[in-house]
Amino acid sequence: DTGVSQDPRHKITKRGQNVTFRCDPISEHNRLYWYRQTLGQGPEFLTYFQNEAQLEKSRLLSDRFSAERPKGSFSTLEIQRTEQGDSAMYLCASSSNLDEQYFGPGTRLTVT
Amino acid sequence: KQEVTQIPAALSVPEGENLVLNCSFTDSAIYNLQWFRQDPGKGLTSLLLIQSSQREQTSGRLNASLDKSSGRSTLYIAASQPGDSATYLCASTDSWGKLQFGAGTQVVVTP
Repeated sequence: DTGVSQDPRHKITKRGQNVTFRCDPISEHNRLYWYRQTLGQGPEFLTYFQNEAQLEKSRLLSDRFSAERPKGSFSTLEIQRTEQGDSAMYLCASSSNLDEQYFGPGTRLTVT
Repeated sequence: KQEVTQIPAALSVPEGENLVLNCSFTDSAIYNLQWFRQDPGKGLTSLLLIQSSQREQTSGRLNASLDKSSGRSTLYIAASQPGDSATYLCASTDSWGKLQFGAGTQVVVTP
């Protein structure tokens, strides 16, 4: 087991472009979480899945954001029409039920 | 709404001293509390998880305590080393599993 992986690690995009991030959780974990972290702050919850079902979305997740977890395995987070305020580190975590959450290395997004 | 606060925001100690990091939370109805370490530009590494029914948890030089009634958790790191330099984050978990993070304490251990 190699832990939680995220791809890409870094993404630079121009304002208005769409971007998609991928997260591969630890294989036996049924829960998958997305968080966003800006400089000097702790991560903020965005959304989470139990298996393939998306159970909650934060108010931080505007209509430009969408997340999927087909077949309850990997997950994707898409941001449409990116804005400079979307620049942040996007973190994925997984867990088995309500146990300890394990984080991936993150995807750093820079919108120019 | 749960609010998690970490004081101090930054801490510098000489090598060998014990570190004491504080975390407070406003809503005592937590499922558990987790401590993480984050190196610059990296993801989070889980250090300790304390269940709401527990008072403390230990791993090597790390010890974390939890007092739900007062809304506090403390992370102790014994005999600090330069390699302990990082940002330490605490996070409470609600019954849905969502983590609510503090802003972190940035620690520098000087040789």
